[in-house]
Amino acid sequence: QVQLQESGPGLVKPSETLSLTCAVSGYSITSGYLWAWVRQPPEKGLEWIGSIYHDGNTYYNASLKSRVSISVDTSRNQFSLKLSSVTAADTAVYYCVRGGLYWGQGALVTVSS
Amino acid sequence: DIVLTQTPLSLSVTPGQPASISCKSSQSLLHSDGKTYFYWYLQKPGQSPQLLIYEVSRRVSGVPDRFSGSGSGTDFTLKISRVEAEDVGVYYCMQGLYFRSFGQGTKVDIK
Repeated sequence: QVQLQESGPGLVKPSETLSLTCAVSGYSITSGYLWAWVRQPPEKGLEWIGSIYHDGNTYYNASLKSRVSISVDTSRNQFSLKLSSVTAADTAVYYCVRGGLYWGQGALVTVSS
Repeated sequence: DIVLTQTPLSLSVTPGQPASISCKSSQSLLHSDGKTYFYWYLQKPGQSPQLLIYEVSRRVSGVPDRFSGSGSGTDFTLKISRVEAEDVGVYYCMQGLYFRSFGQGTKVDIK
């Protein structure tokens, strides 16, 4: 059974870099599919941040592209999100996703000094 | 960018009654491979979103058959034939043709 679990700091200071990791179990990242990050600000809708394919190709939301990086660590079967120069507007629950079917439980990241 | 517009934004339904949600895309979602990359999700309170429908009308395994999706090109509809209490939450449409984007969400609750 495919499972995804987000981890990382729950509090990040403004202007710093948000870093999250998604540990994948039950499936090898290198075997296929799209691996993605989606976020949801409090009481708001869903926003697709970006994706990385098993071949390493990445695709980022144009509105975040200058600040986002998604990478894969095949040795640990996990993928990561880095979002730089964060502001309060980046406060959200961050989900990692495989394809569109499997989602992690989400990690709340608050941007505050 | 593709913009998805959902209507209505909220819906209050009597159990056992039908419900319908519309999603209109700013561009056709029909790919040259013949598939239409359009999806419906349900986010129940306090939970991660769950995929209900993919490629317009294909139900994910385990999704009750009271949920059905239809449409083509730019206009799509999710129908619940008989709403049950467990169907409450926010429904999102999503397109997967050009990158990914979601509709604003439609909140469904029980009268």
